[in-house]
Amino acid sequence: ELKVEQNPLFLSMQEGKNYTIYCNYSTTSDRLYWYRQDPGKSLESLFVLLSNGAVKQEGRLMASLDTKARLSTLHITAAVHDLSATYFCAGSTSGTYKYIFGTGTRLKVLA
Amino acid sequence: GAVVSQHPSWVICKSGTSVKIECRSLDFQATTMFWYRQFPKQSLMLMATSNEGSKATYEQGVEKDKFLINHASLTLSTLTVTSAHPEDSSFYICSATEGFLGSAFLDEKLFFGSGTQLSVL
Repeated sequence: ELKVEQNPLFLSMQEGKNYTIYCNYSTTSDRLYWYRQDPGKSLESLFVLLSNGAVKQEGRLMASLDTKARLSTLHITAAVHDLSATYFCAGSTSGTYKYIFGTGTRLKVLA
Repeated sequence: GAVVSQHPSWVICKSGTSVKIECRSLDFQATTMFWYRQFPKQSLMLMATSNEGSKATYEQGVEKDKFLINHASLTLSTLTVTSAHPEDSSFYICSATEGFLGSAFLDEKLFFGSGTQLSVL
């Protein structure tokens, strides 16, 4: 059964700094997703990573996937306050759309 | 991108009553929809997979008689929390995909509804 773990669970950082959120998963996952959630809101899709070595970037966020290590990372460059949110990674079981979510990383960017 | 509409966004009810939450795919047909629940500051837990025209598939530990799922059409799935109790208070989120198993569109993804905050008094 697929299990997804994230770390850290909570991250407080200064504006302008860089940091990486890690997402480990236990068994083969077809693809790896990153979502953002603001308080009381639903999930906003950030990235879909399909293959080993995949790297996607959008603004100050960059996601990568290493299927051999069963690891995905979400790198934040020069953080700004607007990036404060909870970030979830999720994997999907082969052949299905069942998403298994990580624990989430609550990011707070301090001005 | 595809839009998933979820209603209501917030509901307060008395203990023992039933609450229905609707999830609609607005501009695509969704053969499969998913229902998640999320407790405060926790992750999303998959409750069940809703299949159009057939019975839902529930995850282990989810009471199917308590959380009734109906997927009567390709654009609508409903979750009814029956005889709700305070411990059922949670954020419920539905999701749907416009892809299908075996699809050539490998980057299809789930689209999420706006969520329903249920508070049972």
